[in-house]
Amino acid sequence: SQQGEEDPQALSIQEGENATMNCSYKTSINNLQWYRQNSGRGLVHLILIRSNEREKHSGRLRVTLDTSKKSSSLLITASRAADTASYFCATGNTGNQFYFGTGTSLTVIP
Amino acid sequence: EPEVTQTPSHQVTQMGQEVILRCVPISNHLYFYWYRQILGQKVEFLVSFYNNEISEKSEIFDDQFSVERPDGSNFTLKIRSTKLEDSAMYFCASSQGSTGNSPLHFGNGTRLTVT
Repeated sequence: SQQGEEDPQALSIQEGENATMNCSYKTSINNLQWYRQNSGRGLVHLILIRSNEREKHSGRLRVTLDTSKKSSSLLITASRAADTASYFCATGNTGNQFYFGTGTSLTVIP
Repeated sequence: EPEVTQTPSHQVTQMGQEVILRCVPISNHLYFYWYRQILGQKVEFLVSFYNNEISEKSEIFDDQFSVERPDGSNFTLKIRSTKLEDSAMYFCASSQGSTGNSPLHFGNGTRLTVT
C-alpha cells in the first residue's frame, strides 16, 4: 500500500511550543501533501512537496521530505490553540488515487 | 474562494435502503473523488472520476456503489442497499489536475447513519 502513516497518533503541547509530526510511506511518490481536519469537517490542504524537493515552508509550517527514507515531517512553529486539529499526510503518484494516513491528533493547550 | 459543497450534511437511512449523496465540485476542476471516514478512523479512498468515467477505485467500492456526473455541476455517490457498516462520513473532493500534481479540495462531508 502507498498509504502514509503518521506518527505520533496523538500529540499534546502548550501554546507557543513547536509541534512536529512525522509521516512514513512505502512506495515511490510524485508528491506528498499534508492536510488538516477540524473535528467533523472536511480536510483542508496545507502544503504540497514534490518528490524532488527536500524542504518547503508556508507561514508557520515547515515540511521536509526524505525520499531515501520514505518519510516526511510537518513542523508547526509557535503553535496556537486554533492549530488543534488532526493532521494527515497523503501520497500521490501517477495514478489518480490519493492515500491518507491515520492522522496525528494535535491538541494545543492555551 | 470557491468551495466544494455537499448535501445533505446528515442522512439517516434504514438498512437495505438506497441513498444518494450529492456534491458540487469546484467549477473549473476536472477530477472528482469520494472518500469515507468511519468515526475516528482513517480517511479511505473510494473512487476517482475523470472525463466522465471512473479512473480508479478501491476494494471498498464494490457493486453496491456507483458514481455519476448527471450534469455539468453535480457529482453523486449512490449506495444501492445500505449496510450498517456503511455508516461513516462521506467526503467529496475535487482537483484541477491529477493527484500527481494538484491538491484536493474537500467538502464538509455527509454523515451517513444506517440504522
